[in-house]
Amino acid sequence: EPEVTQTPSHQVTQMGQEVILRCVPISNHLYFYWYRQILGQKVEFLVSFYNNEISEKSEIFDDQFSVERPDGSNFTLKIRSTKLEDSAMYFCASSDGDNSNQPQHFGDGTRLSIL
Amino acid sequence: GDSVTQMEGPVTLSEEAFLTINCTYTATGYPSLFWYVQYPGEGLQLLLKATKADDKGSNKGFEATYRKETTSFHLEKGSVQVSDSAVYFCALRLNDYKLSFGAGTTVTVRA
Repeated sequence: EPEVTQTPSHQVTQMGQEVILRCVPISNHLYFYWYRQILGQKVEFLVSFYNNEISEKSEIFDDQFSVERPDGSNFTLKIRSTKLEDSAMYFCASSDGDNSNQPQHFGDGTRLSIL
Repeated sequence: GDSVTQMEGPVTLSEEAFLTINCTYTATGYPSLFWYVQYPGEGLQLLLKATKADDKGSNKGFEATYRKETTSFHLEKGSVQVSDSAVYFCALRLNDYKLSFGAGTTVTVRA
């Protein structure tokens, strides 16, 4: 079964540094998402992306965050200047449509630790 | 806003016991409802879904019925196994792009 793959599985970064989290969505999917889960808290929506542009973003997704689809397969989340509170598990997801009944398929996540 | 409230855990059961995890939602329209499962060290996997009232989603022995009158989508399994130990997330999606998740319920099944 096709999978969403994320790399790295664990990223440790110094506060203030830039970090890029990488995702390879399922190949025929057109809609891409990032979520995060701070330890002990809910999974929270960050951003959705379609047709090379952001289609929706949450309040969390401020100017420090950006997303990009640099080629036909990768989907990246960049945090420009990391803060301690960015420490979380980041999940990438993809779907083949934007109807509410179409499920989003998730990767295994990248654990980001900011020191 | 739209939200999901899940029964708090952790839940500890013996093998072959009956499992229920309560989930209720608040939404301005008629959402699609999902249960996701996260096994230790893995990502979120779709377990089952229901897209309209009275639909029943089922998978791997788990079931949940979309109840509009009680705004609920409780997850049930009649006889759990050790391999069902995981964190279970209820989620909804309306006409926008995002999934709104509950807090997750940790289930541990003992042999």
